[in-house]
Amino acid sequence: SQTIHQWPATLVQPVGSPLSLECTVEGTSNPNLYWYRQAAGRGLQLLFYSVGIGQISSEVPQNLSASRPQDRQFILSSKKLLLSDSGFYLCAWSRLGGERSPLHFGNGTRLTVT
Amino acid sequence: QKEVEQDPGPLSVPEGAIVSLNCTYSNSAFQYFMWYRQYSRKGPELLMYTYSSGNKEDGRFTAQVDKSSKYISLFIRDSQPSDSATYLCAPLAAGGTSYGKLTFGQGTILTVHP
Repeated sequence: SQTIHQWPATLVQPVGSPLSLECTVEGTSNPNLYWYRQAAGRGLQLLFYSVGIGQISSEVPQNLSASRPQDRQFILSSKKLLLSDSGFYLCAWSRLGGERSPLHFGNGTRLTVT
Repeated sequence: QKEVEQDPGPLSVPEGAIVSLNCTYSNSAFQYFMWYRQYSRKGPELLMYTYSSGNKEDGRFTAQVDKSSKYISLFIRDSQPSDSATYLCAPLAAGGTSYGKLTFGQGTILTVHP
């Protein structure tokens, strides 16, 4: 069966510090990968998605970037965090193609920027 | 107008009640409709997945889609305290360029009290 791992579960970082969140998927090959952010009391906002190694599409211009160095690894980064980057970050995967495949989420990283 | 509108609630019901959760959407390209359940501090988990108009039943849960009015519903029968969570609707457009990118409603917070 497929599993998705995200870490860390909780993170508190000062403004201006760098960020690296990692996500890995097991039990499947060539997945589509996604980063979503969920602000308090709001829905999920798609930040990035990837259909293959090194292929990243950004949905929202912002202070964050994403990379996919391996087939089942997805990384969310920032060089300098802003207060507005606080939120609940969720990684998800879907099957190759993805047009008819539901997303499966990890358990998220709660980021607080102080 | 948002692509997906969902009443955030909160909704509080007694145990055993029938719960009705609803979403409206504006994009006629949406063909697949998903409901996710999200417990506090966890990632969303797929609950129901339907295609086009009609009903789908799974245990105590029934998903209903009316494409003519762009209205989707989730019914929970014999609600239990363990159903207390946030419920997110997520329609998906068909076609290769969608890449499985889901558009989420804001989510409805449900509490089932004993």
